[in-house]
Amino acid sequence: DSGVTQTPKHLITATGQRVTLRCSPRSGDLSVYWYQQSLDQGLQFLIHYYNGEERAKGNILERFSAQQFPDLHSELNLSSLELGDSALYFCASSVAGGSYGELFFGEGSRLTVL
Amino acid sequence: AQKITQTQPGMFVQEKEAVTLDCTYDTSDQSYGLFWYKQPSSGEMIFLIYQGSYDEQNATEGRYSLNFQKARKSANLVISASQLGDSAMYFCAMREGFNAGGTSYGKLTFGQGTILTVHP
Repeated sequence: DSGVTQTPKHLITATGQRVTLRCSPRSGDLSVYWYQQSLDQGLQFLIHYYNGEERAKGNILERFSAQQFPDLHSELNLSSLELGDSALYFCASSVAGGSYGELFFGEGSRLTVL
Repeated sequence: AQKITQTQPGMFVQEKEAVTLDCTYDTSDQSYGLFWYKQPSSGEMIFLIYQGSYDEQNATEGRYSLNFQKARKSANLVISASQLGDSAMYFCAMREGFNAGGTSYGKLTFGQGTILTVHP
């Protein structure tokens, strides 16, 4: 158990819909990262938040948005969903201030868009 | 250009034998970290081993060791005494953007992965 909690584990929805994925980082971790894993694109970095502030953006679509709340949990919002958005979405957290740099991953949220 | 290259889409190994999974990386940073993660069929990402760019010794964690050749920019994972439970996808990843204090808030960049199958 990595200590990172993601909900829901599985989600099936239709094209055009909007979903919200939730992530609770490990206790004490200030950094939250979101990744998308699909068969054709591999593991793609989406966005990074540190203590409530956006730190870096990767290949995140404009239809997607995220935020980190004061209690440090994070949400990834996916809207106007398309078939190609079907993927495994990971949240990861890391220790702020540690030199080790390991990211701890949640179990992922598997999104299926029909 | 790819930052992390894993040239072996799939590897096969006999149980109890050793196997090496290849990884090369590309960075202009002096300070960076290299990681290996395992992803079994259940989907979770499991951290295996870490190597810092300034570490002089190759990292080891149980049956896992990292063959770090800085000049060649390679960070191969060696699994000794393979077990059936080692069958999984393995990802090499790099973390750049370390700040002056040696801590890093940077993202991990992943390779495409290698599927390892361990035969009995």
